Amino acid sequence: AQRVTQPEKLLSVFKGAPVELKCNYSYSGSPELFWYVQYSRQRLQLLLRHISRESIKGFTADLNKGETSFHLKKPFAQEEDSAMYYCALSGRGYQKVTFGTGTKLQVIP
Amino acid sequence: GAGVSQSPSNKVTEKGKDVELRCDPISGHTALYWYRQRLGQGLEFLIYFQGNSAPDKSGLPSDRFSAERTGESVSTLTIQRTQQEDSAVYLCASSSGPSTAEAFFGQGTRLTVV
Repeated sequence: AQRVTQPEKLLSVFKGAPVELKCNYSYSGSPELFWYVQYSRQRLQLLLRHISRESIKGFTADLNKGETSFHLKKPFAQEEDSAMYYCALSGRGYQKVTFGTGTKLQVIP
Repeated sequence: GAGVSQSPSNKVTEKGKDVELRCDPISGHTALYWYRQRLGQGLEFLIYFQGNSAPDKSGLPSDRFSAERTGESVSTLTIQRTQQEDSAVYLCASSSGPSTAEAFFGQGTRLTVV
């Protein structure tokens, strides 16, 4: 069974402070990991995926297989980063994508 | 259409009535998902369709909930004898298949049971 855990329902940080949204997963094979974001009144959308090893809007995430984690990080939070963030996991091939329960990021001006 | 389309956008229904929610995925997407999002809460998985395989219904909360998909196109989520706790936003998503494919979400149907 595959499982994604986001331990924080709400994370509040001040503008300019570093951000780390935690994500831990459970999967017996080689996982594909993603971060999705939902801004206020907008659709849920892909932010980044681990295979791309890219930085999107200043966010990065590194897959740590030893700790089974895929934390999302940004060195300096901006007000427009306030949103709901979901970590997601899938196996290789035609596998179901499993989402975590999400973390609401609140950036305080 | 270019994206995932859900209808209706909003639905207010009386407790005990049945409702049907519709999802039009992106053409060619073999995978389709339904999720529920209660106010202030995260995504709750309901059901997953992948091609012609048997759907994964493991997230359906009770036998009042059911969903169908016609081939690789439209899906309907039916809630029978609605209860107030069914009030939520119901989200549909589709993807082109392999796990590295991005899941595209619809705008959701906001269901209010009064």
